[in-house]
Amino acid sequence: EVQFLESGGGLVQPGESLTLSCSASGFSFNRYALSWVRQAPGKGLKWVSTISESGDSTKYADFAKGRFIISRDNSKNTVSLQMSSMGADDTAVYYCVKFGSSAWYRYNWFDRWGQGSLVTVSS
Amino acid sequence: QSVVTQPPSASGTPGQGVIISCSGSRANIGNNHVAWYQHLPGTAPKLLIYNNNQRPSGVPDRFSGSRSGTSASLAISGLQSEDEGDYYCAAWDDNLDGLAFGGGTKVTVL
Repeated sequence: EVQFLESGGGLVQPGESLTLSCSASGFSFNRYALSWVRQAPGKGLKWVSTISESGDSTKYADFAKGRFIISRDNSKNTVSLQMSSMGADDTAVYYCVKFGSSAWYRYNWFDRWGQGSLVTVSS
Repeated sequence: QSVVTQPPSASGTPGQGVIISCSGSRANIGNNHVAWYQHLPGTAPKLLIYNNNQRPSGVPDRFSGSRSGTSASLAISGLQSEDEGDYYCAAWDDNLDGLAFGGGTKVTVL
């Protein structure tokens, strides 16, 4: 059974940094690209970032470029999201998600989602 | 403002059907595959439809998806109370070089 254990969420002050981690099990971790998706309170789902199977290719939403860094450790089955210069707009539940196949992103989908990690940016 | 748009709400009585539309452009729905996700209160989002019209195992056949041109739709037949929640379409956007979610449609069972 595919499982994700997300950690690192919590309260952070504006301008500060926070790193989310997601530990995965139940599938061949290094065979799938992974992503982070967030949901701000009362808002819809928003894609944040994607990292390729090997970790050599990354993509970011415009709001994340220059502030967030996605990384993965295939030896530990973990994916992380380092967030810096955080603002109130970054307050959200962050989901660790797995792509469903090894197809190009344009032909792919998210087949498994973590339970989410709440990040609150407030003074 | 998302590049993929959905109506904010849809509703029906138990047993009825509802159709949720998802409108985009050639950069997303027109050229790439669409997926649909169900997000029920207090749970993680769940994949309902992938590759425009494919159902993962375990998803009831009451849920069906289709795509035509730059639009897609999700049909729910035989509406049940447990279907109440938010539904999102998503497609890769070539201009953004990222995934675009629709704004979500809240389904209410009257």
